[in-house]
Amino acid sequence: DQQVKQNSPSLSVQEGRISILNCDYTNSMFDYFLWYKKYPAEGPTFLISISSIKDKNEDGRFTVFLNKSAKHLSLHIVPSQPGDSAVYFCAASETGANNLFFGTGTRLTVIP
Amino acid sequence: KAGVTQTPRYLIKTRGQQVTLSCSPISGHRSVSWYQQTPGQGLQFLFEYFSETQRNKGNFPGRFSGRQFSNSRSEMNVSTLELGDSALYLCASSRRSQGIGTGELFFGEGSRLTVL
Repeated sequence: DQQVKQNSPSLSVQEGRISILNCDYTNSMFDYFLWYKKYPAEGPTFLISISSIKDKNEDGRFTVFLNKSAKHLSLHIVPSQPGDSAVYFCAASETGANNLFFGTGTRLTVIP
Repeated sequence: KAGVTQTPRYLIKTRGQQVTLSCSPISGHRSVSWYQQTPGQGLQFLFEYFSETQRNKGNFPGRFSGRQFSNSRSEMNVSTLELGDSALYLCASSRRSQGIGTGELFFGEGSRLTVL
């Protein structure tokens, strides 16, 4: 039972444009959400996170939006750069939990 | 500062065999987690250790086990390997004693297991 879902396996975007990656979750107990980026042959690296008390968190070119009522979050990358090409994983956890529930990932390709 | 180190990076086993994977966390990190990554399922949580104690376990059969040593290094073992166990096994460490918080999971590069 996949509690965190990324329904788009892949996304292609032109360099300089906005990339929007989407994620849905089913567990209403989740209150902390994260995005990880993964390059081939490397482990995932933390990108940005958001607590359920917020609806937006921004870090440079990366912004995460959270819609609790829809159980939906999205990652916006503006402007997209070729070096952003990677697999992006959405993840969620409950307060105090020591494990994350991950989505299946979205492969982003930024075309120069 | 050295990152999370996993060994071996690649290995091939046959059905029925067993395998042991090793993980050395970042110095000072006492929490070590293991995740299985497969193409269709993404990353799935296996178990988490803190101070040599398993605190949480994912929904995997008993063939999957692990342990943590006093120096925080961890091993996971899979017995009676099945074809479906072919996956990338990722280890992550954290300095936090409780809770994920602010994305403080640092992942290793993984051990890619192929079961023939």
